[in-house]
Amino acid sequence: QKEVEQDPGPLSVPEGAIVSLNCTYSNSAFQYFMWYRQYSRKGPELLMYTYSSGNKEDGRFTAQVDKSSKYISLFIRDSQPSDSATYLCATPTSGTYKYIFGTGTRLKVLA
Amino acid sequence: NAGVTQTPKFQVLKTGQSMTLQCAQDMNHEYMSWYRQDPGMGLRLIHYSVGAGITDQGEVPNGYNVSRSTTEDFPLRLLSAAPSQTSVYFCASTQDGGNTIYFGEGSWLTVV
Repeated sequence: QKEVEQDPGPLSVPEGAIVSLNCTYSNSAFQYFMWYRQYSRKGPELLMYTYSSGNKEDGRFTAQVDKSSKYISLFIRDSQPSDSATYLCATPTSGTYKYIFGTGTRLKVLA
Repeated sequence: NAGVTQTPKFQVLKTGQSMTLQCAQDMNHEYMSWYRQDPGMGLRLIHYSVGAGITDQGEVPNGYNVSRSTTEDFPLRLLSAAPSQTSVYFCASTQDGGNTIYFGEGSWLTVV
């Protein structure tokens, strides 16, 4: 079992829809969780990070962590065609800078 | 401030050839790493360095060498290229104590 699992998609939604992207993880010691956005033929860029449980909001984006079920989510409100990208979840292994990434979910927002 | 710079962006190699992917960062970050990204596999850590003169293996180190003689540079060497090394390679850096990984633009490598 991979330590971080992510549905690869692709996920297609109409413009303006609410998008839910999800990851599960296996190690309860993981505490920091990041979401990276990767446009085609580009390097990933940090979108948001959260620590422990709860929600974090940044504009149209909300990151949510449920430690009891080892589930992390990224919600995108009022999705735009410019949100079309691959979204990767990531977490550092405890006490290190070695990050584990999910496989990424490819999102396409249709105009 | 260029961030993380990788060269070359595209490269085709023949099986058995060797080459070096260059990586430089101008943010004075201590931690640097190399990942490869393959379809369905996500980003996998090849090698990493926590500072000049210190390197260690990641998840998929076989067939690759690294060195870190300066804080800025972290080259990745393919010793004898194999078709299984066809991939997209990303160099990254992180500030000590930071939460953000800064990635380069990627290097697309094809081994024929």
